[in-house]
Amino acid sequence: DVKVTQSSRYLVKRTGEKVFLECVQDMDHENMFWYRQDPGLGLRLIYFSYDVKMKEKGDIPEGYSVSREKKERFSLILESASTNQTSMYLCASNRAGWTGTSTNEKLFFGSGTQLSVL
Amino acid sequence: AQTVTQSQPEMSVQEAETVTLSCTYDTSESDYYLFWYKQPPSRQMILVIRQEAYKQQNATENRFSVNFQKAAKSFSLKISDSQLGDAAMYFCAYRTNDMRFGAGTRLTVKP
Repeated sequence: DVKVTQSSRYLVKRTGEKVFLECVQDMDHENMFWYRQDPGLGLRLIYFSYDVKMKEKGDIPEGYSVSREKKERFSLILESASTNQTSMYLCASNRAGWTGTSTNEKLFFGSGTQLSVL
Repeated sequence: AQTVTQSQPEMSVQEAETVTLSCTYDTSESDYYLFWYKQPPSRQMILVIRQEAYKQQNATENRFSVNFQKAAKSFSLKISDSQLGDAAMYFCAYRTNDMRFGAGTRLTVKP
């Protein structure tokens, strides 16, 4: 069964800490995504990566960075955690596809990490 | 950036009845894909249905169907014969090279 695995389901950190959220997929997908989910705001794209060492900013990249050293792993880094980064973080992946290439590949999601910054 | 708008934060439906969830999007692209995802309390995102913008025919998946109006940039989801297991958050999503989501609609199904 295909899988996207996020390292922690719940995480509690203190303000100012450096936080790493890890995501691993076993489907050899080119694309990987990090979203945060907040009530009333839905899923907002933080960063995505379409290849190893490649990354693109999403809608809300401020305060975050990412790392994709290997195809299967996409890490989200909070350099100095703040209380407004308390949220649910969702990782997703899918096969490469661009408009006009006849692909409607769905996203495969991890189970999410609920991060609380105190 | 493309935006996806779901104007109904909450909806409720009686079991076995039909409900329609609204979604509009803003884009200048001509080729793209649209999706509806369901998120039950387990938090796992589940694909419900997808639509290619170049196809005029509305997608259907069993009890789920869409009303895709490309000119109006509208993509609503109709759930027929609603079941208790349909209760969840529903997210509309738009894709070109990345995927953008709406704010979601929480659907309650009353027995």
